[in-house]
Amino acid sequence: GAGVSQSPSNKVTEKGKDVELRCDPISGHTALYWYRQSLGQGLEFLIYFQGNSAPDKSGLPSDRFSAERTGGSVSTLTIQRTQQEDSAVYLCASSWSGGAREQYFGPGTRLTVT
Amino acid sequence: RKEVEQDPGPFNVPEGATVAFNCTYSNSASQSFFWYRQDCRKEPKLLMSVYSSGNEDGRFTAQLNRASQYISLLIRDSKLSDSATYLCAVNIASGTYKYIFGTGTRLKVLA
Repeated sequence: GAGVSQSPSNKVTEKGKDVELRCDPISGHTALYWYRQSLGQGLEFLIYFQGNSAPDKSGLPSDRFSAERTGGSVSTLTIQRTQQEDSAVYLCASSWSGGAREQYFGPGTRLTVT
Repeated sequence: RKEVEQDPGPFNVPEGATVAFNCTYSNSASQSFFWYRQDCRKEPKLLMSVYSSGNEDGRFTAQLNRASQYISLLIRDSKLSDSATYLCAVNIASGTYKYIFGTGTRLKVLA
């Protein structure tokens, strides 16, 4: 079946502009995660959606970052007033709610803020 | 202490060697553990879950040591294609499925 998809694959934006990154999880997966990975670094947790529960936003680095998940499926991560330090690969993952909850990742969006 | 720690490596091993990595975690209530593989400029891909009793998948063996709070990944008969970064993932507390990833251990298998 189809895996996690993300768009765009690459995004170059000017400092101060807003960007929206999209994630389409695997069909039927009720959990959705956003992570950020800077060059040569590990994955930094940003936000986690589980079904209809309130999302865990504890990893969002500032109030410039927000995310929503509409209809329990597609998610959008929005970064307002982008800064150069926001440059990174933004990865989305989804998982089932039961069982071992293995996460399956999308290919990521490479964001470059100039 | 970091919530999840890994030796960054690199581990340079010859083809056919056996290599093992550890991943330590700080929260004794953590219950879900995974190993992922990440190739350069690619997304992480699930390698295997880690079960309490230990588990094996071909040349790969994962183990959990709750007393010392670490998980391990053993790779036997290393192949050139095993060269990658290996990430561990741990849920931060019982009852939550928020995961913290280690920064990864880089493996290079040499011909």
